[in-house]
Amino acid sequence: ETGVTQTPRHLVMGMTNKKSLKCEQHLGHNAMYWYKQSAKKPLELMFVYSLEERVENNSVPSRFSPECPNSSHLFLHLHTLQPEDSALYLCASSQDAGSAGNTIYFGEGSWLTVV
Amino acid sequence: AQKVTQAQTEISVVEKEDVTLDCVYETRDTTYYLFWYKQPPSGELVFLIRRNSFDEQNEISGRYSWNFQKSTSSFNFTITASQVVDSAVYFCALRGNMLTFGGGTRLMVKP
Repeated sequence: ETGVTQTPRHLVMGMTNKKSLKCEQHLGHNAMYWYKQSAKKPLELMFVYSLEERVENNSVPSRFSPECPNSSHLFLHLHTLQPEDSALYLCASSQDAGSAGNTIYFGEGSWLTVV
Repeated sequence: AQKVTQAQTEISVVEKEDVTLDCVYETRDTTYYLFWYKQPPSGELVFLIRRNSFDEQNEISGRYSWNFQKSTSSFNFTITASQVVDSAVYFCALRGNMLTFGGGTRLMVKP
């Protein structure tokens, strides 16, 4: 059983819809992350939160809006997405954001299709 | 800048064969960590191993073994006596001031 759970596992949405991806970690970690994995592209870091504060935003379009209400939960709010946003969105967590030695643990991902 | 290269995009073997997945990295950091993750078709990235830059000892865990050679900036992963359940995409990653993933190697183990 994974320590990082994501819902929904699969989501199909129209370009005008608003939806949210949810992530919860049960590992007592202080840092949480959103990654995007598209076909034929390396994993891309989108956002990093440390103790509920956003510490990194890698030039992600504003149609993706993260929210971290507490250190165990992370959301990714989606609105007016484009078909090229279709991808696997992976949530992850680690003990701390800044320490290179901390292992990052990933959830099962949310498969998003934008039609 | 950091870079991780997994030159083998796809490998196909027959069950029980040994297979080595290559990983070469570039970094200017003197302290860094190397990771391997497994991604089965379900999507989850499963952590396999972490190695710090000061520990060049090879590691063995069951059928898995890792060879870290700082002189060649490589961190290769060998699966001995491969099984169908080993079929997945395997990612090598490097973490210094940021976490950088390689492009992944898709391993197909046929019965």
